[in-house]
Amino acid sequence: DAGITQSPRYKITETGRQVTLMCHQTWSHSYMFWYRQDLGHGLRLIYYSAAADITDKGEVPDGYVVSRSKTENFPLTLESATRSQTSVYFCASSATGGRTGELFFGEGSRLTVL
Amino acid sequence: AQSVTQLDSQVPVFEEAPVELRCNYSSSVSVYLFWYVQYPNQGLQLLLKYLSGSTLVKGINGFEAEFNKSQTSFHLRKPSVHISDTAEYFCAVSDIKAAGNKLTFGGGTRVLVKP
Repeated sequence: DAGITQSPRYKITETGRQVTLMCHQTWSHSYMFWYRQDLGHGLRLIYYSAAADITDKGEVPDGYVVSRSKTENFPLTLESATRSQTSVYFCASSATGGRTGELFFGEGSRLTVL
Repeated sequence: AQSVTQLDSQVPVFEEAPVELRCNYSSSVSVYLFWYVQYPNQGLQLLLKYLSGSTLVKGINGFEAEFNKSQTSFHLRKPSVHISDTAEYFCAVSDIKAAGNKLTFGGGTRVLVKP
């Protein structure tokens, strides 16, 4: 089915472990984004990508790594998870970029770091 | 840098009553403005956006918002809400001339529609 999908939807891990959240979109959108959602903070941009092999930091990039070898995939890796990274993570894509265009969001990945 | 303040974290409202969600932004440059809605256990979806032109913007599901540049506000309204409008609503802003593609979101307003 067309759309944007995230996996896993739920993940529990321990401090210090590496975790990768996957994001896949079928629209061939150029732009992809990772946000985290925390109570009282709304959504904060972690990283974004304007095209394959082009990524840039957002507001809260520390502790995260991204890659984009293919247009349709934009994985987010927590190299050594910390409790402060417990959050709901949303991937989004856009044909024209977040500045003027519509972002299409996945259903989110809820990560708990113990 | 810009910021977005949603003045109400929660808004309870009775079915068929009107609702207004307040959004103020702070920016030294011209901006584009957006409202997104997040239904329970779902991702966000665009409700409406202001890029230019008429300051009154109509969106999906009967929502509308008015851009007030002098007050740096973009309040969202609906004249009569339904149970299905129970959701969290996010105001967002972007810099018109920014090189990046970054939306700055407010903290969100939870709307609970009561029968």
